Amino acid sequence: EAGVAQSPRYKIIEKRQSVAFWCNPISGHATLYWYQQILGQGPKLLIQFQNNGVVDDSQLPKDRFSAERLKGVDSTLKIQPAKLEDSAVYLCASSQTGTESPREQYFGPGTRLTVT
Amino acid sequence: GENVEQHPSTLSVQEGDSAVIKCTYSDSASNYFPWYKQELGKRPQLIIDIRSNVGEKKDQRIAVTLNKTAKHFSLHITETQPEDSAVYFCAASKRPYGQNFVFGPGTRLSVLP
Repeated sequence: EAGVAQSPRYKIIEKRQSVAFWCNPISGHATLYWYQQILGQGPKLLIQFQNNGVVDDSQLPKDRFSAERLKGVDSTLKIQPAKLEDSAVYLCASSQTGTESPREQYFGPGTRLTVT
Repeated sequence: GENVEQHPSTLSVQEGDSAVIKCTYSDSASNYFPWYKQELGKRPQLIIDIRSNVGEKKDQRIAVTLNKTAKHFSLHITETQPEDSAVYFCAASKRPYGQNFVFGPGTRLSVLP
């Protein structure tokens, strides 16, 4: 099966600019996650969607970050305005919906964002 | 909220030796504990996982043990090989499965030939 697709793979912007990332999950996966991975740290969950509804966005800096998943398939994550500390790899992951048993998360290749 | 700690942060072993990485979690409601391997510049990949109703799980050279009372779980790799060199992340998640994933900070494992 095709994996999780993300674009762009790399992005360099200046602080205060805006940027958007795109994710296409594995076909049939209802759950979609966005993570921020700062160099040398573990992934930090930003937002989790179940179909097109938000399940968890408790760690999303809502003053500058936004995400949507229209039609329950593709998703976009936006940062506006960007700060230096937003430099990180943004990982998208998807999984089937698990209610009685856990479902493996499949990660995309990530988007490496550098804010200068 | 949940807090996951992981030790050690770096680990070097000789090829053929065993490696053990330990994680502790704070939220007793967490019930699913996966381990991910991330090679340099690549995406994290699931290597093994365990649910809260199981104490131990094995898959060839890797095993995971869970102590719910102490709120810790460990990854065991036996007969290590150079290709095991990577960063390993533990994570904890709550019911319903797949929600509120919290990752540990990672352990960089180096297997020396």
